Amino acid sequence: EVQLVESGGGLVQPGRSMKLSCAASGFTFSNYGMAWVRQAPTKGLEWVATISYDGSSTYYRDSVKGRFTISRDNAKSTLYLQMNSLRSEDTATYYCTSAPSMYTTDWFAYWGQGTLVTVSS
Amino acid sequence: DTVLTQSPALAVSPGERVTISCRASESVSTLMHWYQQKPGQQPTLLIYLASNLESGVPARFSGSGSGTDFTLTIDPVEADDTATYYCQQSWNDPTFGGGTKLELK
Repeated sequence: EVQLVESGGGLVQPGRSMKLSCAASGFTFSNYGMAWVRQAPTKGLEWVATISYDGSSTYYRDSVKGRFTISRDNAKSTLYLQMNSLRSEDTATYYCTSAPSMYTTDWFAYWGQGTLVTVSS
Repeated sequence: DTVLTQSPALAVSPGERVTISCRASESVSTLMHWYQQKPGQQPTLLIYLASNLESGVPARFSGSGSGTDFTLTIDPVEADDTATYYCQQSWNDPTFGGGTKLELK
């Protein structure tokens, strides 16, 4: 059974940093692309970043480029999201998601339970 | 960015057929996918590539469309289908529709 468990969320002041982690199990992590998707309170879903199966390629939405970094450690089956210069508009539940296969990252097949990040002074 | 437009809400009775629409601001071919999100839970994948049913999803769910107009159909609707449904395109950087909240009468 695929399991994605996020951690690292909480309350952070504007301008500060936070690092999210996602521990994966139940599948061969190193064969699949991964992504972060967020959801602001009472709002819809918003893609944040994607990383290829081997970490060689990364993609970001414009509003987080230069501030967020997606990375992975295949030896630990763990996905990360380093978030710097946080803004109030980054407040959201962040979901770790996995691609459906090693050949595409077009859709989000599996989702974690999410971790809430609140940016506030 | 490709903008996806969904109707905000629908109300149907159990046993009825419901169609949820998603319109893209430009053609996305068949690179459209659908998710269900129940209150307080994470989203789950229902349909990928416009019409392919994800493993384990009941056959009551189906998807159709290409280009700019897409539809998710639930037939028949059951009480457990109360949720918000999102479309998502992958023609370019992923974007989601605003979601359609389905309520049962």
